[in-house]
Amino acid sequence: AQSVTQPDIHITVSEGASLELRCNYSYGATPYLFWYVQSPGQGLQLLLKYFSGDTLVQGIKGFEAEFKRSQSSFNLRKPSVHWSDAAEYFCAVGAGTASKLTFGTGTRLQVTL
Amino acid sequence: NAGVTQTPKFQVLKTGQSMTLQCAQDMNHEYMSWYRQDPGMGLRLIHYSVGAGITDQGEVPNGYNVSRSTTEDFPLRLLSAAPSQTSVYFCASSYSRGGGVCGYTFGSGTRLTVV
Repeated sequence: AQSVTQPDIHITVSEGASLELRCNYSYGATPYLFWYVQSPGQGLQLLLKYFSGDTLVQGIKGFEAEFKRSQSSFNLRKPSVHWSDAAEYFCAVGAGTASKLTFGTGTRLQVTL
Repeated sequence: NAGVTQTPKFQVLKTGQSMTLQCAQDMNHEYMSWYRQDPGMGLRLIHYSVGAGITDQGEVPNGYNVSRSTTEDFPLRLLSAAPSQTSVYFCASSYSRGGGVCGYTFGSGTRLTVV
């Protein structure tokens, strides 16, 4: 069975600083990988996804993520954080057809002005 | 285009009561799922469906039933509510391409409290 670990429960960065959120997965084959963002009281919005091909994927809102098979990682990055990026971020992995997703426990991002 | 619509947004139940959480999507997606979100535990899959008439259990299915009689609707039934089912419930749908799901679209959630 697949699993996801997000080791950072809470991260605080200054506006304009760079951001990296960590995600490690466990799955025997090449997985489907996703990053979602959730603002307070809202549902989840898909930021980006990796299926195959180029290991650096671009998403919405200026986010990108890099798939590293050797490290079983799919870290999310943004070069310059905006105050509106404050939210909770979830990494998810899907096996097979990815009809079932396994989510990490999330990382809450706080942005200071 | 409404996307994924969940009703109600808030609900309070007494222990032992039953209810149905509604979920409808208007994107003709074949895949639909129900998740529950609890603090510090992320989202956990309750049940999912890969098409009309086909459902399967997820990680935490006990106490919940689903059916998928149409492509658009995927209701979640709580048979006999328990305080442990106090949670925020999310419905999601997706289409597939190239043999895999392309990423789920989530509804805005139902916040359920069981007293």
